[in-house]
Amino acid sequence: DAEITQSPRHKITETGRQVTLACHQTWNHNNMFWYRQDLGHGLRLIHYSYGVQDTNKGEVSDGYSVSRSNTEDLPLTLESAASSQTSVYFCASSDGDPPYEQYFGPGTRLTVT
Amino acid sequence: AQSVTQLDSHVSVSEGTPVLLRCNYSSSYSPSLFWYVQHPNKGLQLLLKYTSAATLVKGINGFEAEFKKSETSFHLTKPSAHMSDAAEYFCVVRDTGTYKYIFGTGTRLKVLA
Repeated sequence: DAEITQSPRHKITETGRQVTLACHQTWNHNNMFWYRQDLGHGLRLIHYSYGVQDTNKGEVSDGYSVSRSNTEDLPLTLESAASSQTSVYFCASSDGDPPYEQYFGPGTRLTVT
Repeated sequence: AQSVTQLDSHVSVSEGTPVLLRCNYSSSYSPSLFWYVQHPNKGLQLLLKYTSAATLVKGINGFEAEFKKSETSFHLTKPSAHMSDAAEYFCVVRDTGTYKYIFGTGTRLKVLA
């Protein structure tokens, strides 16, 4: 069965370190998204991609970057981790055709100390 | 710009009684609408989607939602709540201009024994 996976599931890192969160999907979807989820804010879009070599900034992209070298993967990099980036991160993918539903990964809980 | 409003941040029902979670949207075009459920410490799971084929949409686990264009609403209902329905529910609209997904702030459903 097709799926979307994230790794690691839990990560503790120190302020200032670079961190990369992996996202891998086997749906063969062109569209991929990264969100963060914080209490009181719901899900907020960090970056998204509509295909290989395509990346776009979401509403909370400062301090994050992504790259898309193939269809299956969209890694999220925190350039210099900050305590404000402690959050749960979700990756999602969707097809470009209707009905456009998104499929979500299980999430990565990141703690920056 | 499209938006979505979940009218209740918390809803409590007794087991066996009906569930109503309210969602209003704003959209200039025929929208793509979704309901997702998130159980504690889990990812988001698609409950149902509106694809314009029918105004009454049936989803998993006995949930359904009715698309009412005149009221710009897409409320989620279930005839009889089960303890396992306790979770957070998100109403989502896909922005037809930017192709991004707009999330409501979520409704936490509590089911009382």
